[in-house]
Amino acid sequence: AQRVTQPEKLLSVFKGAPVELKCNYSYSGSPELFWYVQYSRQRLQLLLRHISRESIKGFTADLNKGETSFHLKKPFAQEEDSAMYYCALSGNTDKLIFGTGTRLQVFP
Amino acid sequence: GAGVSQSPRYKVAKRGQDVALRCDPISGHVSLFWYQQALGQGPEFLTYFQNEAQLDKSGLPSDRFFAERPEGSVSTLKIQRTQQEDSAVYLCASSAPLRLRNNEKLFFGSGTQLSVL
Repeated sequence: AQRVTQPEKLLSVFKGAPVELKCNYSYSGSPELFWYVQYSRQRLQLLLRHISRESIKGFTADLNKGETSFHLKKPFAQEEDSAMYYCALSGNTDKLIFGTGTRLQVFP
Repeated sequence: GAGVSQSPRYKVAKRGQDVALRCDPISGHVSLFWYQQALGQGPEFLTYFQNEAQLDKSGLPSDRFFAERPEGSVSTLKIQRTQQEDSAVYLCASSAPLRLRNNEKLFFGSGTQLSVL
């Protein structure tokens, strides 16, 4: 079965602190992993995907197949990073499986 | 249009009432997805269309849920005899290519918030 686990419902940090939002997945094949973000009063949008190996808004995520993880990291959090973050998995089908999400709060 | 459009934005229904939720995908997008998002949860897959063909409806929770996309553009999600547990935000998303893999992404609508009293 395909599953995505985000163990933290809420993560609170101060501006300038490092951030790591955890994501673990369950899938026996070769997965495609994504991070989606939803800012207040905005629609869900793609933040980054593992296959692109890109850094968006200072965020990076590395796929670790040994630990079946795809944690999202940023070295210095900004207030505008406050949002809901969803990790998602695409397996051998065309649908995305989402985790339950982590709310990131960045305090000034 | 500027993006995926969903209507209505909010819908209040009495238990037992039928509802219809509309999704206008981005023009030219082949793939269309419906997701259900309960309060405090992530989006849960309901069904998927490629043009007018419904390729996967494994996520529809019961036979009260029905989706269609007759001309391969606008889609309607219909819920018959609504129950309180149907209360959720219903998200529609579209993507241009045939496959989500290979570096493609979903564009989401703002959702329809359904409240069943």
